[in-house]
Formats: sequence, C-alpha cells, structure tokens
Amino acid sequence: DAGITQSPRHKVTETGTPVTLRCHQTENHRYMYWYRQDPGHGLRLIHYSYGVKDTDKGEVSDGYSVSRSKTEDFLLTLESATSSQTSVYFCAIGGGNMNSPLHFGNGTRLTVT
Amino acid sequence: EDKVVQSPLSLVVHEGDTVTLNCSYEVTNFRSLLWYKQEKKAPTFLFMLTSSGIEKKSGRLSSILDKKELFSILNITATQTGDSAIYLCGWSGNTPLVFGKGTRLSVIA
Repeated sequence: DAGITQSPRHKVTETGTPVTLRCHQTENHRYMYWYRQDPGHGLRLIHYSYGVKDTDKGEVSDGYSVSRSKTEDFLLTLESATSSQTSVYFCAIGGGNMNSPLHFGNGTRLTVT
Repeated sequence: EDKVVQSPLSLVVHEGDTVTLNCSYEVTNFRSLLWYKQEKKAPTFLFMLTSSGIEKKSGRLSSILDKKELFSILNITATQTGDSAIYLCGWSGNTPLVFGKGTRLSVIA
C-alpha cells in the first residue's frame, strides 16, 4: 500500500466535536493530499501539502484545517464536525514536480451523528 | 475551474464483453492523465498518460489520450467478474489531481 497508513480506520463522532485524522507515510514523499469521497461526487481534494509547514486549499476546504510538522505526517482536522462531513477520507502521496502517480491510503470512514 | 467528466456513470456487461470508458476534461496547463481502479478500499493506479496518441497497455486493459480533443478512453477486453469496480480518471494541470465522478462497472457471469 505504498507505505501509507491512515488512522483511525473508522470513527463515529457527534456533531460539534473536533476530529483529527492522521496520515503517515514511509516514502519520504514531499507531496501529500487529503481527499474525501462521497456517492455521486467522486474524489474531491480538501487540502494538500508540498512540504513541511507548506499547505494549500483544495476544492472543498471549508470546515477543515491541516498541519504538517514532519515530512511523514499529514493531519486533517475537523474543528467542529457536521453531518455533511460524513464521508470516506483518503490520504495520498505523489504527484508534484515529479509528476508521479498518486498512491492512496486505505481510507478513514467518518460518521458524524 | 478544472473539470473532468466521465461517461457512462454506470455500466453492466456480461463476462467476455469489451467495454470502453470515457473521460473528457477541461484543465489548465495539462500535465498528465491517470486512471485508477477502485474496489472496496483505496483507488489503485492503472495508467498514467502524458503524450497524445500513445497507447498504454497492461494485459486486457489499455488506455489512450487525445490531447487535441481533450479526452481519454480506457478499454477492457474479455471482461471478467474481477473487473467489477469503480474506474476513476484524474487530470493534473495547474492544480493537483482533479478526478471525475467515476464509472461503476459491473461484470456479471
């Protein structure tokens, strides 16, 4: 699985609570991404990082923040979870200046009740 | 705004059939086109195309890119039930990979 580990694999949380998802890579890749996948919408980019402490917004960034303090870890935080953020979240590495394929983690299924 | 359109959105075929999946795009400063297969978990990489007119092949799967007409196709010959999956195309341009909504392929015995 290209050395990408997402945690937790599943999470159920209540509306209004903060949630942090973690992505850990062992490939030392500069670029990391967070996507969400919903029926009828495909994969949509939330945020991405092009280096330690370097991040940028994607298509659906509202309600999410990210942090990258180390090359290997990319955190996605929902400051106050809403039901519309119920989704499957995928982390990916690759792309960037190398124009290499993205490789995905196994995803985190988040349910906000 | 970059835009990727896949068609059809879903498809049901019988084993042994040949299928063609389509992907069209509007991307600023095109860099590459990628195809992925997604079964139950993470999307898995199939092909990356950067040059027009050059076919990539892997077994029964093949893909080709037309940069002038702004589309790509993914062909699967002699389909098997194991080909049942969602097939995603993504385009890379000025922004990181932008995906279409995917084509759900179901192959029945």
